[in-house]
Amino acid sequence: AIQLTQSPSSLSASVGDRVTITCRASQGISSALAWYQQKPGKAPKLLIYDASSLESGVPSRFSGSGSGTDFTLTISSLQPEDFATYYCQQFNSYPPFTFGPGTKVDIK
Amino acid sequence: EVQLVESGGGLVQPGGSLRLSCAASGFTFSSYEMNWVRQAPGKGLEWVSYISSSGSTIYYADSVKGRFTISRDNAKNSLYLQMNSLRAEDTAVYYCARVVATIHRRWGAFDIWGQGTMVTVSS
Repeated sequence: AIQLTQSPSSLSASVGDRVTITCRASQGISSALAWYQQKPGKAPKLLIYDASSLESGVPSRFSGSGSGTDFTLTISSLQPEDFATYYCQQFNSYPPFTFGPGTKVDIK
Repeated sequence: EVQLVESGGGLVQPGGSLRLSCAASGFTFSSYEMNWVRQAPGKGLEWVSYISSSGSTIYYADSVKGRFTISRDNAKNSLYLQMNSLRAEDTAVYYCARVVATIHRRWGAFDIWGQGTMVTVSS
């Protein structure tokens, strides 16, 4: 099964900072990757699908890039409501639809 | 409003059983493929199971294969997860989630999630 790793596992940042999170797949998955944001006690929220397509209603400060095995989620200017944990998920071929271990973004 | 609402969680002893339900509203449930995802306390997300729109195709994570059964009733707009032989490591919040196609692929994202239901396996 395809494994996903994320780096860093956590980071501290300030409002207005540019933040980049990396997700790496154990084998090539084309652009079959989604990103989610999860706040404590809440369900995950879809941000990005197909590696770089922004879900409707998601602020444009979120962007995704990558293909094959290496992917990034970028928040161009971190806002107070963006402090959360971020997960990548792969959709290459058939299930399992593996998730990455998550990256926690907290306040510096 | 498009919505998924889980129910059925609770405290169960090791070796016991529990049936989770997920009620869908605001969309044509019978047209969508569905999943269960779980999250142990303080841990990350783990995909558990998938079911096609008709119920004819099903997949499970290795960790639950042979113990959990996913099913759906399109007439009742409901998704289910029958959990048997429960273990302490099954303790988690269980979410139902809708999977959607994108321009490039049949399965592209989990776009709608329920609020989750907590399952605790303990004696």
